[in-house]
Amino acid sequence: DTGVSQNPRHKITKRGQNVTFRCDPISEHNRLYWYRQTLGQGPEFLTYFQNEAQLEKSRLLSDRFSAERPKGSFSTLEIQRTEQGDSAMYLCASSSLAGGTQETQYFGPGTRLLVL
Amino acid sequence: GDSVTQMEGPVTLSEEAFLTINCTYTATGYPSLFWYVQYPGEGLQLLLKATKADDKGSNKGFEATYRKETTSFHLEKGSVQVSDSAVYFCALVPWGGYNKLIFGAGTRLAVHP
Repeated sequence: DTGVSQNPRHKITKRGQNVTFRCDPISEHNRLYWYRQTLGQGPEFLTYFQNEAQLEKSRLLSDRFSAERPKGSFSTLEIQRTEQGDSAMYLCASSSLAGGTQETQYFGPGTRLLVL
Repeated sequence: GDSVTQMEGPVTLSEEAFLTINCTYTATGYPSLFWYVQYPGEGLQLLLKATKADDKGSNKGFEATYRKETTSFHLEKGSVQVSDSAVYFCALVPWGGYNKLIFGAGTRLAVHP
């Protein structure tokens, strides 16, 4: 169990560029979540996968955002045409379906995005 | 929609002082309640949880009781240490639906020797 990993840890980009983040969940965790955290705030839910199926998307996830989990293992989050308001910490978490409603979500260290 | 409100920080205490961080929630049905902690330079970690009314979650000397009548889940510790300095987040998982977490804004705790 090596924990949830996220890459890159930091990303600086210019407004209008596309960026992609990767999340590797704990092996055999079939649930995967993306959250966004801005300075001084708690994380906000973006989207949720169970295996490869994307089952819920927040209204925060505009059409510039897309997330995939093609083989039910790692996941990517892409932001197209970045805006300064996209600057935030992007967090990934994973959990096991077997945990039911008492499941614990394990968080990765996050990817900090700065859009100039 | 469901939401969590927690006391604003920072909270500054001397070592061995008593800690309370208030958390109240708005939710339908019977949400599960959590406290997560974020130590400097580290990721979010689950501190404790409670899944039904009157349950008490506890871990590392921290406790919180699920009070449905007051819709509260206050975090307490009898004697804080410098190593408890961190940001504490109260969160809930809505009743029914998928297990997404809804977080409060976080409370920064600073403990001085």
